[in-house]
Amino acid sequence: AQKITQTQPGMFVQEKEAVTLDCTYDTSDQSYGLFWYKQPSSGEMIFLIYQGSYDEQNATEGRYSLNFQKARKSANLVISASQLGDSAMYFCAMREKLNTGNQFYFGTGTSLTVIP
Amino acid sequence: DTAVSQTPKYLVTQMGNDKSIKCEQNLGHDTMYWYKQDSKKFLKIMFSYNNKELIINETVPNRFSPKSPDKAHLNLHINSLELGDSAVYFCASSHIMGGANYGYTFGSGTRLTVV
Repeated sequence: AQKITQTQPGMFVQEKEAVTLDCTYDTSDQSYGLFWYKQPSSGEMIFLIYQGSYDEQNATEGRYSLNFQKARKSANLVISASQLGDSAMYFCAMREKLNTGNQFYFGTGTSLTVIP
Repeated sequence: DTAVSQTPKYLVTQMGNDKSIKCEQNLGHDTMYWYKQDSKKFLKIMFSYNNKELIINETVPNRFSPKSPDKAHLNLHINSLELGDSAVYFCASSHIMGGANYGYTFGSGTRLTVV
């Protein structure tokens, strides 16, 4: 089974509108972390937001918020007031804490295009 | 079967040693990458190979040398390891056609600790 699933290979959004990028995850661990990264054309993976499995509040960082629904195992990224510079690939990732150490899993990414 | 596999998963070694990390993908992708995660957050791209040719070579010390014997493999060799090389290294692959990227797959990472 996939550990991280991103079902939207490509998304379009009008500038200044909000957009939600979907992410579901699969784990039987109690302690894990969820991340979103942005990858512009330069190739770097820029950290956007983090949600710990024990955090009760949804994480927010500026225009980014993570809609964490633990029972549904979903961690969707919401970008408000989209800007042209938000056009990029977005990756959801999970870190599991195993007895042997941390293990990371990444989704296949969603390509977001912001339309002027 | 693991799509992108990196070996070893953990590597502890002394300063000054030379070590290699191997990466193999069985997805038929034509592009492979190495990323370094040194802050728990930011993944910095190091190298990218497309069809065995180097297309991205960011500013990394020349102690780091990638080797791509074929499209399915991209190994990372590190000479004269330093304490600052301690990090998690991720391999990834993707398929690029007509300038469009059709999906990434990442390996699970190799945690390198230099002592």
